[in-house]
Amino acid sequence: KAGVTQTPRYLIKTRGQQVTLSCSPISGHRSVSWYQQTPGQGLQFLFEYFSETQRNKGNFPGRFSGRQFSNSRSEMNVSTLELGDSALYLCASSVGTEGDGYTFGSGTRLTVV
Amino acid sequence: DAKTTQPNSMESNEEEPVHLPCNHSTISGTDYIHWYRQLPSQGPEYVIHGLTSNVNNRMASLAIAEDRKSSTLILHRATLRDAAVYYCILRDRDNYGQNFVFGPGTRLSVLP
Repeated sequence: KAGVTQTPRYLIKTRGQQVTLSCSPISGHRSVSWYQQTPGQGLQFLFEYFSETQRNKGNFPGRFSGRQFSNSRSEMNVSTLELGDSALYLCASSVGTEGDGYTFGSGTRLTVV
Repeated sequence: DAKTTQPNSMESNEEEPVHLPCNHSTISGTDYIHWYRQLPSQGPEYVIHGLTSNVNNRMASLAIAEDRKSSTLILHRATLRDAAVYYCILRDRDNYGQNFVFGPGTRLSVLP
């Protein structure tokens, strides 16, 4: 079956702009989580959506937001980009119940200049 | 969140077994032990997970101590493709929305 698809793979934006990243989960997976990965901070949790509702949120400023659609696809948005937002943004999907594991996408590499 | 500690790095020779340790002394009774690995330029990849009993799959084996305060991921015959960062993570079975807390992991180098 198809894996988790993230688009675009690479993105270059200017400081102050906003960006929207997309994630299509594995069919049947209702939970989508987003993580930010940087060399200095490692993998950090942004938020998790389940059945179109945000169920959990990490410690990121309000400039980072997300949403989930009825087909479980998810988007995350970063407004007023800063240089420090340059990172690999990873999306992961799961069934969303019990202690099940995630399937990660390959990520979107965002560079802010 | 219950925390895990892993060695920063380990080295192995190709085709030899590798034992990657993880300590989780504050683990709760409902915490699953998950292992993921991340190859260069890719997202993390699921390896194995377990609760109390040892687990085997086509990729690896997971040995869990009787008191559950530590576990070991076993790669039976390391290949060059196994060179990656390995993460040991705890996740509460009953907390459906709980996120994974990734530590720095163990960087495994495999020597030809």
